[in-house]
Amino acid sequence: DAKTTQPPSMDCAEGRAANLPCNHSTISGNEYVYWYRQIHSQGPQYIIHGLKNNETNEMASLIITEDRKSSTLILPHATLRDTAVYYCIALFDQGAQKLVFGQGTRLTINP
Amino acid sequence: SAVISQKPSRDICQRGTSLTIQCQVDSQVTMMFWYRQQPGQSLTLIATANQGSEATYESGFVIDKFPISRPNLTFSTLTVSNMSPEDSSIYLCSAGGARDRTSGNTIYFGEGSWLTVV
Repeated sequence: DAKTTQPPSMDCAEGRAANLPCNHSTISGNEYVYWYRQIHSQGPQYIIHGLKNNETNEMASLIITEDRKSSTLILPHATLRDTAVYYCIALFDQGAQKLVFGQGTRLTINP
Repeated sequence: SAVISQKPSRDICQRGTSLTIQCQVDSQVTMMFWYRQQPGQSLTLIATANQGSEATYESGFVIDKFPISRPNLTFSTLTVSNMSPEDSSIYLCSAGGARDRTSGNTIYFGEGSWLTVV
């Protein structure tokens, strides 16, 4: 699975859009980009995943660049409850795969 | 999505003892995994729990220390053996790959089991 790189921390004001970047320059053509988050003291929560098209669900949007070497997770209207560590993971989506976690981005939403 | 329950949610254990953590999934899944998360750290994969056969361990983890069982498609246990204070961590169960494919291949996590070894 391709290595991903994320900034260690970010801040965002409550009510604003939080944009979390992820670099995955060595991603292969059939690797998906998955995003999870871990709120303090809880198990990781699945957010969204995509291959090459932009994706949106009730939690977030995922924007993947045309060359697929990077992506951005967007929380459109961040709330205090979105404070968490966010993990970007690249992996093949052929059967459920083991997830290898990096250090992620610690997102702090400020009032 | 799969709902994953872990027991115990937290425990305080004496060094030298062993503790078994149970993981129950509300639907049949093809894959189950066990992770450890030490204080202030990211998640580290311990092993893949294989149904009806021995678990597949990651580098640095051995069966004698972390025996794993998976008797069926919805249940698994992880035992932390001969515990020391260095084993104080959150232990997380994850699962995915619904047999009926309704949930796709996304992996879901339990809430974790907090172990403190004294």
